[in-house]
Amino acid sequence: DAKTTQPTSMDCAEGRAANLPCNHSTISGNEYVYWYRQIHSQGPQYIIHGLKNNETNEMASLIITEDRKSSTLILPHATLRDTAVYYCISLSNTGTASKLTFGTGTRLQVTL
Amino acid sequence: NAGVMQNPRHLVRRRGQEARLRCSPMKGHSHVYWYRQLPEEGLKFMVYLQKENIIDESGMPKERFSAEFPKEGPSILRIQQVVRGDSAAYFCASSPGTGRFYEQYFGPGTRLTVT
Repeated sequence: DAKTTQPTSMDCAEGRAANLPCNHSTISGNEYVYWYRQIHSQGPQYIIHGLKNNETNEMASLIITEDRKSSTLILPHATLRDTAVYYCISLSNTGTASKLTFGTGTRLQVTL
Repeated sequence: NAGVMQNPRHLVRRRGQEARLRCSPMKGHSHVYWYRQLPEEGLKFMVYLQKENIIDESGMPKERFSAEFPKEGPSILRIQQVVRGDSAAYFCASSPGTGRFYEQYFGPGTRLTVT
């Protein structure tokens, strides 16, 4: 699984888009990019994942660069409830190995 | 559709007692994972189970910890002879399985305090 690098922390004003970057320069062809978040004292929450095409769901959008070496999670209209630690994880979907390895993530603070 | 359920939410045990943590996966999910989060630290994988089978226990401490996921009923994480260092939040997750192993849905966690 490729190593990912994320900024330690970010701030975002409520109502604005939050753009969270992730670098995964050693990602291999069969590795997906997954995003999770953990709101304080709660269990982690699956957000979105993608391979090479951009993805969108009701929570967020995932933009993956053409060379797949980096990606950006976009929360289009951040609210105070989006304050959390966001984790970018690069994983291969093949086989049966399925443990998630959480790094230090990005601590997003949404402010008024 | 109910999410992953864990009980108890809070558990206090004295040193040397046993702790039993329960996890009911989402409906239709037969893959269960346990993670531990020590105070002020990140989440660490412990064990991955399917019904009646342990698939990967590479993150489980070698002694005192065991996990099961019986044919009927919830998954159980059991800690024997607890010590203060076992105080942590224990999260259970479930996934739909094939092709979606990493799409894991987490429960609210059980916070274990060892006194």
